[in-house]
Amino acid sequence: GQQVMQIPQYQHVQEGEDFTTYCNSSTTLSNIQWYKQRPGGHPVFLIQLVKSGEVKKQKRLTFQFGEAKKNSSLHITATQTTDVGTYFCAGPNSGGYQKVTFGTGTKLQVIP
Amino acid sequence: EAGVAQSPRYKIIEKRQSVAFWCNPISGHATLYWYQQILGQGPKLLIQFQNNGVVDDSQLPKDRFSAERLKGVDSTLKIQPAKLEDSAVYLCASSYRTPGRGVEQYFGPGTRLTVT
Repeated sequence: GQQVMQIPQYQHVQEGEDFTTYCNSSTTLSNIQWYKQRPGGHPVFLIQLVKSGEVKKQKRLTFQFGEAKKNSSLHITATQTTDVGTYFCAGPNSGGYQKVTFGTGTKLQVIP
Repeated sequence: EAGVAQSPRYKIIEKRQSVAFWCNPISGHATLYWYQQILGQGPKLLIQFQNNGVVDDSQLPKDRFSAERLKGVDSTLKIQPAKLEDSAVYLCASSYRTPGRGVEQYFGPGTRLTVT
């Protein structure tokens, strides 16, 4: 079945440093979504990328979809303590009906 | 708009007991999902409803888990009997498809289940 892996699994950064998480799918994706889950909270939708090579920005967050549509990345510039949480990518299953498979997640810890 | 509601927020039961979770999705969202999230892992889809029909329950342990979505709105997820390995957060989500934006899932706060 479809697998969506993320690296790294954990990342500790000093506040102000940059952070990047990478998402890799075993299959080509029609789109990729990113979610953020704060400690003790629930996943919150951040963004969806659809086009090959697409790059989208949300303030300090930059999301990229690979040319082959099998990988994606999330880059945070100048991390802040509010960025703490686990970042998940999610890709649609081939079965349609709005199903997605969540990645393994990258847990970000920001040291003040 | 109101978000996805879930109850209870926390539940502690002994193994072999039964438990039920309730979810009320965002109004108008036809698709409803139940996920199991074990500590340190990503959400795992248990069952997905489209209106009141099941479209995917391939990862639902059907010998002990059951779910229904009456009238295509609220949903309940039941575990009977519970096992220690069922300790997890059970997340409900709902979604709709936006033209040009695809699917955005909105999650409820989850129910943290502890089986002792």
